[in-house]
Amino acid sequence: SQQGEEDPQALSIQEGENATMNCSYKTSINNLQWYRQNSGRGLVHLILIRSNEREKHSGRLRVTLDTSKKSSSLLITASRAADTASYFCATFGFGNEKLTFGTGTRLTIIP
Amino acid sequence: DTGVSQNPRHKITKRGQNVTFRCDPISEHNRLYWYRQTLGQGPEFLTYFQNEAQLEKSRLLSDRFSAERPKGSFSTLEIQRTEQGDSAMYLCASSFRGSADGTQYFGPGTRLLVL
Repeated sequence: SQQGEEDPQALSIQEGENATMNCSYKTSINNLQWYRQNSGRGLVHLILIRSNEREKHSGRLRVTLDTSKKSSSLLITASRAADTASYFCATFGFGNEKLTFGTGTRLTIIP
Repeated sequence: DTGVSQNPRHKITKRGQNVTFRCDPISEHNRLYWYRQTLGQGPEFLTYFQNEAQLEKSRLLSDRFSAERPKGSFSTLEIQRTEQGDSAMYLCASSFRGSADGTQYFGPGTRLLVL
């Protein structure tokens, strides 16, 4: 079953703008990860944030985590056409080895 | 290319037929995972192996599904007596046990269509 919801389900922005997508989850976590999936292809790991971290940066990506609200957000700055993809959050829990994915946000960057 | 590979990339079959998919993980990775993804949804966990041992199976994995990893390297996922509801993308991922954070590396997937 899915861990939680992502919001929005779909987002269209102009190239150069920032894109923010949110993820909520249900259970306690070891870490939360964000993955990107280009149309009909496999997933690519983007960034990981541990449960004791509140914010993390990687290039144009910024991820935040609020464990009290069981939510995370992914910000992509200065978007590019190549950022067009679906983005999924995935939680990694304690005592199990699987990732539990959200429902995804489909991001479209308009050139 | 030293990433995770999956074959075939696409499979069309008729209801009731058996299908088998193969996954070759990154060579030094000892953990291998199978996920299923339906249209518009995130991947859902099916099963995972550590070396050749199958350590966890989801209740999504009905008795028509079987996965093996006989020598702790490549893995196969077989679906017997396919049903239209089995149509989905089947994703394989691998990771290294020494990596405690659960980062997984995914293959391109096998898209199954059951007619």
